[in-house]
Amino acid sequence: EAGVVQSPRYKIIEKKQPVAFWCNPISGHNTLYWYLQNLGQGPELLIRYENEEAVDDSQLPKDRFSAERLKGVDSTLKIQPAELGDSAVYLCASSPDRGRINEQFFGPGTRLTVL
Amino acid sequence: QKEVEQDPGPLSVPEGAIVSLNCTYSNSAFQYFMWYRQYSRKGPELLMYTYSSGNKEDGRFTAQVDKSSKYISLFIRDSQPSDSATYLCAMSLGNQFYFGTGTSLTVIP
Repeated sequence: EAGVVQSPRYKIIEKKQPVAFWCNPISGHNTLYWYLQNLGQGPELLIRYENEEAVDDSQLPKDRFSAERLKGVDSTLKIQPAELGDSAVYLCASSPDRGRINEQFFGPGTRLTVL
Repeated sequence: QKEVEQDPGPLSVPEGAIVSLNCTYSNSAFQYFMWYRQYSRKGPELLMYTYSSGNKEDGRFTAQVDKSSKYISLFIRDSQPSDSATYLCAMSLGNQFYFGTGTSLTVIP
């Protein structure tokens, strides 16, 4: 079974530039999460999807962050414009059906550096 | 007060030692209790999860939950250098997950 795929693995941009991250969850996993992880911290939820519906985006800074999961499979997270404080690792995770919602599988993450 | 508290360490032990990692939490409504292992520059990997108070064993790993004290532990027996990683505890309430800050563990050969 292939794991959660994320790209790019690393991204360096200048502040005020846009950036996008892509995630392909494990096949058949309906729930998809985007997390932000700062150095020395645990993951913090940005947005959670059930199929193509964003069911929890309360922690997503909507002035600059956006996300989509158009066909309920892969997802894109965008930041525009990026700020210095956005430097972090962006993790994508997926879970199987509702009965196993506690089983999250994480991708390797995208490490963003904003200069 | 954070929902989940975890000592960040770092923790350094000799190979073969028993390792004890701990987290405390404040919300008695948490349902599932998870432990993740995260190697450097990798995503977290689910090690174990438990639902109720008590112990759950998987090979060299034992997860322990004490709901009355709001305290969870992960024990690693016969620790190996390959166990060197950051260990994150996490708890869930419905579809919401709350992570600890992680404890950095180094097992010295």
